[in-house]
Parts: sequence; structure tokens; C-alpha cells
Amino acid sequence: DIVMTQSPLSLPVTPGEPASISCRSSQSLVQSNGDNYLDWFLQKPGQSPQLLIYAGSNRTSGVPDRISGSGSGTDFTLKISRVEAGDVGVYYCMQALQTPFTFGPGTKLEIQ
Amino acid sequence: VQVVQSGAEVKKPGASVKVSCKLSGYTLTELSMHWVRHTPAKGFEWMGGLDREDGEIIYAQKFQGRFVMTEDTSTDTAYMELSSLTSEDTALYYCVPDLIVWGLGTLVTVSS
Repeated sequence: DIVMTQSPLSLPVTPGEPASISCRSSQSLVQSNGDNYLDWFLQKPGQSPQLLIYAGSNRTSGVPDRISGSGSGTDFTLKISRVEAGDVGVYYCMQALQTPFTFGPGTKLEIQ
Repeated sequence: VQVVQSGAEVKKPGASVKVSCKLSGYTLTELSMHWVRHTPAKGFEWMGGLDREDGEIIYAQKFQGRFVMTEDTSTDTAYMELSSLTSEDTALYYCVPDLIVWGLGTLVTVSS
């Protein structure tokens, strides 16, 4: 199975400041078509997860452009250029290249 | 697409549980259904998914033999059934069409 790791696991951020979350996979997530099969989800308190980023860098509808995904192969990053109060929650990366699809342990972003 | 899952269940060890997931806004045949569970100890675990393009259901090896996904296209309802339950199966179970939209989850508690 592909193992997903994230860092940091806890991320206190001041509103207006940037935030960055790293996700690493034990194998390359690049498919033969060149796409990276890496998604980012956010689980806000009391809610189900919501998809933010798919294929490494594509924002889903409604996700503001201050949130971005980048990376390729085994190293990926989620960046928030200016954190807002509504960004709090747990961020997960997930690989969808190979079954069983696997998730990172999550990064808890909180406002300090 | 909206997803409505069945209510919480309490089961005894050794029993089986069946969870339903009704779609609205899309028909089941337009989407590939996946089931994911979450526990505090292990985080998110992908249990299985249907590849709508070839009709193949892929189960995570961990759940092979005791996890079954079915669907009723006449009512756009998907089902998952997990048998031989143990306390380690106590979790929040989600249906996730196309790994994009998450239901609210169904809490399954296994306790004697």
C-alpha cells in the first residue's frame, strides 16, 4: 500500500498569515497521462470532508484562489496565502493512483 | 449531488451491518461510489469502490470477504454491508460518490 505522510500535524496560524502543509507519498503518484493522483480535503469542525484540490493542483468549484496545491511525484504542498478564520479544520491528502486509496494522517490548522 | 445516509447503528460482535446511501441530483449510474470509514485510531480508510467505466468493484484487501457493496439503480441508492463485526469496526462510515462529495456519515458502534 502507498503510505501517505503529512507535516506538520498541528499548524497554529495567525489570521492574515500564510500557511503551508506538506504531503509525501511512498511511491510516485504520477499516472502515465502525466497527472498526479493526489487530492486535498478539508474537514471543518462538525462537518464531513470537502474536496479542495484534485490532481495535485486543480481547485474545485468555490475554493478561493488563496488556496493552492502544487507538487509532483512524491512531494506535494497545500498553501494558503492568507489564512482566515473559516479555514480552520483538518486537512488531509489522499492518493487515488492505486487501490487501496490511502490518506495522510491529517494536519490540524487552528487560529492562534 | 446530495447524499443521504441511513442512521446510526449499534451492533453486537459477530453481527453484520448494512448502511444505505441515497443520491439526489445525479443518478447512481453517472457516478462511481466509494465507501470510506474513519476511526480516531486509524484515520480515514478506503474500503472499496466501483469503477463505473468497467463495472468492476474493487475492495480493499483488508476488508475482502466480509465487505460487500451493492446498489439499486431504480432508487439511486447504494449499500454497503460489513459482516463479522468486531469492536475495531466501530467507526463513522461514509459513502463518497466519485470521491468528491461526502455524505454526513453513519456511525456504527460494535459493542457487547
